[in-house]
Amino acid sequence: QKEVEQDPGPLSVPEGAIVSLNCTYSNSAFQYFMWYRQYSRKGPELLMYTYSSGNKEDGRFTAQVDKSSKYISLFIRDSQPSDSATYLCAMRTTGGSYIPTFGRGTSLIVHP
Amino acid sequence: DSGVTQTPKHLITATGQRVTLRCSPRSGDLSVYWYQQSLDQGLQFLIQYYNGEERAKGNILERFSAQQFPDLHSELNLSSLELGDSALYFCASSPRGGQGETQYFGPGTRLLVL
Repeated sequence: QKEVEQDPGPLSVPEGAIVSLNCTYSNSAFQYFMWYRQYSRKGPELLMYTYSSGNKEDGRFTAQVDKSSKYISLFIRDSQPSDSATYLCAMRTTGGSYIPTFGRGTSLIVHP
Repeated sequence: DSGVTQTPKHLITATGQRVTLRCSPRSGDLSVYWYQQSLDQGLQFLIQYYNGEERAKGNILERFSAQQFPDLHSELNLSSLELGDSALYFCASSPRGGQGETQYFGPGTRLLVL
C-alpha cells in the first residue's frame, strides 16, 4: 500500500460545478498537508498549505483535513475551464528532511 | 513563471547513454530539489542540496548523481539509461530548505529513452 493514495481520474465536470478531490494516507505522523496544481507541460505550483486538522479557505478553494480518518480533500467552488489541470496532494511530518510525499495526482477536466 | 529554470526542455537519447539535466534556482534560494515524475509512480523525490551540500536523499538510483555548484545551479546526471528512466524530471527550489517553506518548481525536462 502506498503511503498516499489518490485516484488518478480523470474527473470531468461542467463549468460551475463544485469539485471534490481527495487523498487518503496511512502515515499518522503526517502533520502538514498541501495541494499542488499542475497544468499540462508545467511544473506543480502550490495551491493550499494546511497544518493538522481543520479547514482552510482561499477564494474558491477549500482544503479540509480529517486526521482521524487519514483523509484530506480539496473543494473547488464555481469551477472554471481554467481549473482544468492535475491536482496533487502532498503531506509531510513535522521533523526530518521536510520533504513531502506526493500523491499520484487527479486529472480534472472542467468543460464549458 | 516560478523563477526556476531547467534545460533542456526535451531530451531524446538511447539506452546505455548518459545525460545531464541542468537547473537554476530562484534568485536567493539556497536549496534545490530533484524529482522524477512518471505515470505509474507519480512525483518521486530524488535528492536535495542546500548551499552545495547534499541534505536529503530519496529514491535515487545509484546510476543517478547530482551536485550543486558554488553559483547554486544544480545538475542531475543520469547514466546507463534504461527505458524505464523515461519520465519528467523536475527541479524545485526554496530559500533554505526548512520547515514551512514552499518549493517552487521549474517547468521540467522531458526525457525519452529509446
